[in-house]
This record gives sequence, structure tokens and C-alpha cells, in this order.
Amino acid sequence: KNEVEQSPQNLTAQEGEFITINCSYSVGISALHWLQQHPGGGIVSLFMLSSGKKKHGRLIATINIQEKHSSLHITASHPRDSAVYICAVNRFGNEKLTFGTGTRLTIIP
Amino acid sequence: DTAVSQTPKYLVTQMGNDKSIKCEQNLGHDTMYWYKQDSKKFLKIMFSYNNKELIINETVPNRFSPKSPDKAHLNLHINSLELGDSAVYFCASSGDSVEQFFGPGTRLTVL
Repeated sequence: KNEVEQSPQNLTAQEGEFITINCSYSVGISALHWLQQHPGGGIVSLFMLSSGKKKHGRLIATINIQEKHSSLHITASHPRDSAVYICAVNRFGNEKLTFGTGTRLTIIP
Repeated sequence: DTAVSQTPKYLVTQMGNDKSIKCEQNLGHDTMYWYKQDSKKFLKIMFSYNNKELIINETVPNRFSPKSPDKAHLNLHINSLELGDSAVYFCASSGDSVEQFFGPGTRLTVL
């Protein structure tokens, strides 16, 4: 079992829908990251959080440390949001990232 | 200006060859990483260097040898390439915070 699990693995939605991607982890962490990988392959860091909630444009990331769970939300989804979203964690005292298996999001116009 | 750059972007080579991938960051970061992304898109750490010193070395065949001539560069040399080495290799760097900045990736295809 992976230390970082994401759900769903694949998600297809209509443009405009509210999207939620979930991440659960089983280890103690110092930070959790949400990354976006577009079809072209590049990886972009969307959020890094260790508590609470962060918002950037239409994207919102939340984390519940007690429940070892994080969610990434996209409001008013758009076809350009189509990408693979990857959750990753830093274990305590460790700079290396442990990755989830990713969620492939497809937004249909 | 590109923050983390990798060359080449694509690399196609024959089994048994030796090849290198180069990574450079202009962010002034102290720590650099190499990740491998397999065909199922799963990312895994290979190596990490901090100020030219190796700090993370996951279970990677010793055909893979990272080299950090200075803290802005971390190159990956692979000897005796095998079919299973085909993957996308990402370089990344981080500074005082643990947020990482990724390079564009190098797609290696071993024939």
C-alpha cells in the first residue's frame, strides 16, 4: 500500500463543474504538496501546505492533519484545467517527496 | 528566464550505451533532486544533493551516478542503459522551504 493515496484515479467532468480530488497519507508529515502535470509533461507546484487552507484563483487546497487528509478543489472548471494532479508529502525531517499515483482530470467543453 | 532547466528534452539511445542528462537551476537553491517517472506516471525520488553533497540515495542501480560540480548543477550519468531505464527523468530544486521547483523533464527511450 502506498504511503500516499489519491482518489479518484481518473475524473471526467463537464466545463463549469466543481471538482474535488482527495489525498490520504499514512505517515507523519511536515508538508503536503499539490502538483499539476500538463499533457506536455511539465510539473508545476500548485500548493504547499502544512495546515488549514490555501486559495489561488479558482483552486483551493485544504488539509486536515488529524485525519491525514487533503483535498484539492477547482471551482468553475475549464478545459485548460485538464491535467494530472499529484499529491506529495514531506515526511518529518525528510526533504524528499513521497508521491501519490496522481489523478487524471479531463474537463469536457 | 528558466528557473530549472534540463538537457536534452528527448534522448533516444541503444541498450548498452552510456548517456548523461544535465540539470541547472538559477534560483540560488541549495538542494537539487532527480526523480524518475515511469510509464504509469508514478514519480519516485532517485537522488538528492545539498550543497554538492549527496543526502538522499534511494535504491537505484549503481549504473546511475549523479554528479554535482556546483550547487547550481546536478547531472545524471547512466551507464550500460537497459530497456527498463526508459522513463521521464525530472530534476528539481528547493531552497529554504521544502517547496520544489521542477525542470521540464527528459524523456529517455532505450531501444
